[in-house]
Amino acid sequence: AQTVTQSQPEMSVQEAETVTLSCTYDTSESDYYLFWYKQPPSRQMILVIRQEAYKQQNATENRFSVNFQKAAKSFSLKISDSQLGDAAMYFCAYRSANFGNEKLTFGTGTRLTIIP
Amino acid sequence: GAVVSQHPSWVICKSGTSVKIECRSLDFQATTMFWYRQFPKQSLMLMATSNEGSKATYEQGVEKDKFLINHASLTLSTLTVTSAHPEDSSFYICSAAPLGPAIYEQYFGPGTRLTVT
Repeated sequence: AQTVTQSQPEMSVQEAETVTLSCTYDTSESDYYLFWYKQPPSRQMILVIRQEAYKQQNATENRFSVNFQKAAKSFSLKISDSQLGDAAMYFCAYRSANFGNEKLTFGTGTRLTIIP
Repeated sequence: GAVVSQHPSWVICKSGTSVKIECRSLDFQATTMFWYRQFPKQSLMLMATSNEGSKATYEQGVEKDKFLINHASLTLSTLTVTSAHPEDSSFYICSAAPLGPAIYEQYFGPGTRLTVT
């Protein structure tokens, strides 16, 4: 079974600064997807960024980028130019690429606070 | 964008009664829908996976007779909590995986807060 570990229960960053959230995972599969989801106080889950394991290039979405280290099974999220609206719980998630096994396995989450 | 709705957003019921939560994909068809449970300040725990027209697959430790899941169409899945008890109070979230090439995507509903008194 796959597991996802987020070792930082809480993080804080000054507005406009950069912060990195850590995530490691364990799997025996070679093809899979990794995600970062944001859950603001409204509790609506919002996809932040996605990485396909077969791609060596790190995914980027505007101020959000990942550092995907497949051999190390590490998948960190970097948020640049942090904004007050970035304050939320962030969950790292794993999904197998095998057809019929689309369920997501989530980490325990990191609560991000933005300091004005 | 793809929108998933849940109804109701908040429900209070008495112990021993049953409550039904609906999950709808509004602008796409979903072959697979997922039901999660989230306790305060905790992560999402997958309860079950439902596929249209077939029986749901429950995760280990989830009582299938207590949490009845029906996926009657490509746009609707329901979760019924039967004989609810206070320990069933939680936040329930559904997600839907659309048909098509972007099969890695799941879209989440806004969640339903269940309080059992």
